Amino acid sequence: EDQVTQSPEALRLQEGESSSLNCSYTVSGLRGLFWYRQDPGKGPEFLFTLYSAGEEKEKERLKATLTKKESFLHITAPKPEDSATYLCAGMDSNYQLIWGAGTKLIIKP
Amino acid sequence: GAVVSQHPSRVICKSGTSVKIECRSLDFQATTMFWYRQFPKQSLMLMATSNEGSKATYEQGVEKDKFLINHASLTLSTLTVTSAHPEDSSFYICSARDRRGHSTGELFFGEGSRLTVL
Repeated sequence: EDQVTQSPEALRLQEGESSSLNCSYTVSGLRGLFWYRQDPGKGPEFLFTLYSAGEEKEKERLKATLTKKESFLHITAPKPEDSATYLCAGMDSNYQLIWGAGTKLIIKP
Repeated sequence: GAVVSQHPSRVICKSGTSVKIECRSLDFQATTMFWYRQFPKQSLMLMATSNEGSKATYEQGVEKDKFLINHASLTLSTLTVTSAHPEDSSFYICSARDRRGHSTGELFFGEGSRLTVL
């Protein structure tokens, strides 16, 4: 069965303390791995799509990487405004997204 | 990025009434729209896939007579929660896929609608 698992469930960091969020996946015929950011009471906001192992994408303090089994979202020197829930999703061979439960990131000033 | 507008953002209704939520793609045409439900501290749960001009495809366990979905145009889909009950209280989110981006799969999400049924 296709599955996407994110860890940790929650992560508290001090401002400037770099870390990584993990997204492990078992998705048949993976067409892409997506990262979204979701603020409380809002819909998800698209961040990145990764299509093949070894691919990396960056946006400001965020960098997403992909292997054959997992994806990482690295956050470098985070700021309080980076606090949000980060969701990853794998797209299967039928173009359906399988969502992880998210990692709630809290950056303390 | 593309914009998806969802309305209303918050709605409170009495038990037994029906509520309609609209989802519009503002600057692109969406052949497919998706409706999700999200419970606190949980991920998105896909309720149904809506294709323009055809009947929606519902996920297992989702009552199609309770959650009516209409996708009348390439820019508008609606979700109607009929005879709402307190257990229907939730955060409902729509997303749309640009008709040109089917192979990339990128989705654009609305802001969500918080439904509270008293």
